[in-house]
Amino acid sequence: DAKTTQPNSMESNEEEPVHLPCNHSTISGTDYIHWYRQLPSQGPEYVIHGLTSNVNNRMASLAIAEDRKSSTLILHRATLRDAAVYYCILRDGSTDSWGKFQFGAGTQVVVTP
Amino acid sequence: DTGVSQDPRHKITKRGQNVTFRCDPISEHNRLYWYRQTLGQGPEFLTYFQNEAQLEKSRLLSDRFSAERPKGSFSTLEIQRTEQGDSAMYLCASSLATTSGSFYEQYFGPGTRLTVT
Repeated sequence: DAKTTQPNSMESNEEEPVHLPCNHSTISGTDYIHWYRQLPSQGPEYVIHGLTSNVNNRMASLAIAEDRKSSTLILHRATLRDAAVYYCILRDGSTDSWGKFQFGAGTQVVVTP
Repeated sequence: DTGVSQDPRHKITKRGQNVTFRCDPISEHNRLYWYRQTLGQGPEFLTYFQNEAQLEKSRLLSDRFSAERPKGSFSTLEIQRTEQGDSAMYLCASSLATTSGSFYEQYFGPGTRLTVT
């Protein structure tokens, strides 16, 4: 299975943008890129996902490199509530998309007031 | 609240005892997943159900672990003869799948934290 590489931690000031990188150099053409985050003492929650094109939703934006070997999750204005561990996960879309996820250690985002 | 619920939220047990956890998924979701998470690590996949059928089990799921989803609704995860290495957060997630294979996000419960003393 293709793997992802993320920094261990990142810091941001409140109300500033946060750019979370993810490297996935062995991604295949059918792999979707998913982002989940895990707030303290909670289960992970879905943030966004995409295949080739950049994606936006109410929570974040996902920028995917043209060669798809990396992607960036963008939180446009960080709030204290965005302090969490962010996971970048690849999902093989060529098989039945039953959604088995392989989580890495993720990136711990710290937001400073 | 119509989210995924898990019970109990915390369980402390002595080594060698059996424990059982329950997960109630979102009602219309036909897929249910169990994950295990240790401190500082991301969740690790354990097993997955589509309706009542258990379709895949991780090699992490030793013979001491068993999971059921008898009527395709709630699920239970039982650990027999617990060991200290079983101490972890056990997470349940559910999702909806269609015959077209469209992806629907996984919704996670709050987890059951197991401590084996």
